[in-house]
Amino acid sequence: ELKVEQNPLFLSMQEGKNYTIYCNYSTTSDRLYWYRQDPGKSLESLFVLLSNGAVKQEGRLMASLDTKARLSTLHITAAVHDLSATYFCAVPETSGSRLTFGEGTQLTVNP
Amino acid sequence: DGGITQSPKYLFRKEGQNVTLSCEQNLNHDAMYWYRQDPGQGLRLIYYSQIVNDFQKGDIAEGYSVSREKKESFPLTVTSAQKNPTAFYLCASSSGGAGYYEQYFGPGTRLTVT
Repeated sequence: ELKVEQNPLFLSMQEGKNYTIYCNYSTTSDRLYWYRQDPGKSLESLFVLLSNGAVKQEGRLMASLDTKARLSTLHITAAVHDLSATYFCAVPETSGSRLTFGEGTQLTVNP
Repeated sequence: DGGITQSPKYLFRKEGQNVTLSCEQNLNHDAMYWYRQDPGQGLRLIYYSQIVNDFQKGDIAEGYSVSREKKESFPLTVTSAQKNPTAFYLCASSSGGAGYYEQYFGPGTRLTVT
């Protein structure tokens, strides 16, 4: 059974600081997805990582995928309040028919 | 505009009543999904469908039912057998199997049962 674990689950950081969210998964996968969820809202796609070594950047967020280590990271550079949200990673089941989501990392950026 | 619509946004029901949540997409996607999210929690898969007239149970299908009679539509019925139906329900779609194609999410329906 595929397990997807994120850490930390809660992250409170100051504006201007850097931090990394980790997503570990238990079975082989060559792709991984990151989503953002604002309070009370739906999920919005952030990054689609499709191969080992993939790196994607959008503004202050950068995501990477290491399929050998079964690890993805979401790095936050010089955080701003607008990045406050819950971030989920998701990994496909081996069959490819469905995704398994991590528990989410609730990020709060304080002034 | 292409996208996924869910209605209603908020839904209130009395215990013991069945309720149907609507999900429609005009993205011409083959696959559709229903998730449940409880406060402060992640997403749990209820049902999914990869083609019309076919669907599979997810991790928490008990107390729920679905149909997929049209490609565009994947309604979810929350039955009275569902013990704790109050939650945020999210519908998603993808052009193929979710492992290979990105999932797009609708705005969600917040169901409260008292």
